[in-house]
Amino acid sequence: QKEVEQNSGPLSVPEGAIASLNCTYSDRGSQSFFWYRQYSGKSPELIMFIYSNGDKEDGRFTAQLNKASQYVSLLIRDSQPSDSATYLCAVNIGGGRRALTFGSGTRLQVQP
Amino acid sequence: EPEVTQTPSHQVTQMGQEVILRCVPISNHLYFYWYRQILGQKVEFLVSFYNNEISEKSEIFDDQFSVERPDGSNFTLKIRSTKLEDSAMYFCASMSSGSNNEQFFGPGTRLTVL
Repeated sequence: QKEVEQNSGPLSVPEGAIASLNCTYSDRGSQSFFWYRQYSGKSPELIMFIYSNGDKEDGRFTAQLNKASQYVSLLIRDSQPSDSATYLCAVNIGGGRRALTFGSGTRLQVQP
Repeated sequence: EPEVTQTPSHQVTQMGQEVILRCVPISNHLYFYWYRQILGQKVEFLVSFYNNEISEKSEIFDDQFSVERPDGSNFTLKIRSTKLEDSAMYFCASMSSGSNNEQFFGPGTRLTVL
């Protein structure tokens, strides 16, 4: 079974710190990787995607991908209380316009 | 900024009744998806739709479910005879043909089956 695993948390960090969120996936055929933010009662909001091994930076967010280890992470620098949400890792397995397989999410709490 | 819209935001129905959930994808997008999220659980894929036909579906998407694009803007999910376990948030997502496979989600419809 194709799985995407995340630590459910909560991950608690002080305001201004770096939050590090991790995700592992089981299918080596996975092609592309996405991070969504989901506030309670709301829909997933796309914040980052990554396809190639290495780092990808966008503002305060950095996505890291290691296909050999089947591991993708999201770093949030200078964390703000407004970053408090559940972060969902999603994987496109098989490429193309395929469905996304989601992890269960990591709840992040940024303490003021 | 263009966004996916969904109606209604909340639907309450009796077990055994039919419901239709509606979505208006982003206007230049060609790929459409339905996902659901039972309270406290993962987002789960239901079905994808392209060029007026289903391109992929999950085990959840059984004969009780159907999708349709009745006109140039709407994309609907029908549940023929709702069960208690169909209670969930239903999200529509869309993707453009020229994208990096980024799917953009609508705000969701909360379906409550009594």
